[in-house]
Amino acid sequence: EPEVTQTPSHQVTQMGQEVILRCVPISNHLYFYWYRQILGQKVEFLVSFYNNEISEKSEIFDDQFSVERPDGSNFTLKIRSTKLEDSAMYFCASSDMRNDQPQHFGDGTRLSIL
Amino acid sequence: AQSVTQPDIHITVSEGASLELRCNYSYGATPYLFWYVQSPGQGLQLLLKYFSGDTLVQGIKGFEAEFKRSQSSFNLRKPSVHWSDAAEYFCAVGASGTYKYIFGTGTRLKVLA
Repeated sequence: EPEVTQTPSHQVTQMGQEVILRCVPISNHLYFYWYRQILGQKVEFLVSFYNNEISEKSEIFDDQFSVERPDGSNFTLKIRSTKLEDSAMYFCASSDMRNDQPQHFGDGTRLSIL
Repeated sequence: AQSVTQPDIHITVSEGASLELRCNYSYGATPYLFWYVQSPGQGLQLLLKYFSGDTLVQGIKGFEAEFKRSQSSFNLRKPSVHWSDAAEYFCAVGASGTYKYIFGTGTRLKVLA
């Protein structure tokens, strides 16, 4: 069964550094998402992306964050200047329609900010 | 405001016992409902989904869930739990008009041999 893949599985970064998290969505999917899960807390929506633009974002997704689909297969989340509170598990998801099909999640990237 | 409540943070059951995990939601629009499971160090795997139609939905691994609009609930059930079912279970809600899912805080299931 096709799946969403995320790299790296664990990223350790110094505070203030830029980090890029990478995702390869399921190949025929058109909608892409990022969520995060701070340790011990619920999974929170960050952003959705369709047709090469952001379609919805949460209040968490401020100017420090950006997303990009640099080619036909990858979907990236960039955090420009990381803060300690950015430490979390980041999940990428994709779906082939907005509402009528479920979002499929990757295994996540654990981001640790030192 | 939209919200999802999973009242039970931890549940412990014996292997072979039945299981019910509770989920209540608050959503103004017609909800789409999901249960995901997360094993330690793993991502979120979809167990089952409800969009419309039959309110009792079957999922993978022998799980089922029932949508009860009058109670704003979507409880997950399994008649006989296996040790491999030990994991964290998340209820999530989506809706027409929005791209995001709203997740509950999760229920951690422990299975006793």
